[in-house]
Amino acid sequence: KAGVTQTPRYLIKTRGQQVTLSCSPISGHRSVSWYQQTPGQGLQFLFEYFSETQRNKGNFPGRFSGRQFSNSRSEMNVSTLELGDSALYLCASSIASGSYEQYFGPGTRLTVT
Amino acid sequence: AQSVTQLGSHVSVSEGALVLLRCNYSSSVPPYLFWYVQYPNQGLQLLLKYTSAATLVKGINGFEAEFKKSETSFHLTKPSAHMSDAAEYFCAVYDANAGKSTFGDGTTLTVKP
Repeated sequence: KAGVTQTPRYLIKTRGQQVTLSCSPISGHRSVSWYQQTPGQGLQFLFEYFSETQRNKGNFPGRFSGRQFSNSRSEMNVSTLELGDSALYLCASSIASGSYEQYFGPGTRLTVT
Repeated sequence: AQSVTQLGSHVSVSEGALVLLRCNYSSSVPPYLFWYVQYPNQGLQLLLKYTSAATLVKGINGFEAEFKKSETSFHLTKPSAHMSDAAEYFCAVYDANAGKSTFGDGTTLTVKP
């Protein structure tokens, strides 16, 4: 079974721009969670989607948003990029919301200049 | 709210020596606990998990962890370190209600030849 895939793997953007990251979960998994990893803040939960609905949200500004499609693929969007948004963004998939077994993708490394 | 504390941001051992990475958790309910490993520029790989079955959990690559409720600990051990074990290790607790994992700050393991 293929693992979690994230695209692109690396991205460089300029302050003020917006960016969209994509995550394809493991086949059969319907829940997708997003995490931000930075040296200063560590791993922080962004949000979780299940059956195309946002189920849970972390403590991030409204510039961070996401969505999930009917095939369970998910995208997250960051608008008006700031330097502090530079991070590794990790996606995790699980069978259902509340399922503790999460499988992580390789991440997207976003650099904001 | 659930939380995780990893004692020691850096641990250095000699090849063949015992590895001990410490993790303490705080949870008002029986926890789901995990150890993940992260190699440079990669995502998180699950090493092992505790889900209220056996208190001694065996994982991949020779790692194991013991859940001690009285000490609220879930320390990770490996009897004999290998050079390939050098990586960053994260302890995490999963909150099923919030649908998210809360991670410790991570411990970087260095293995000296």
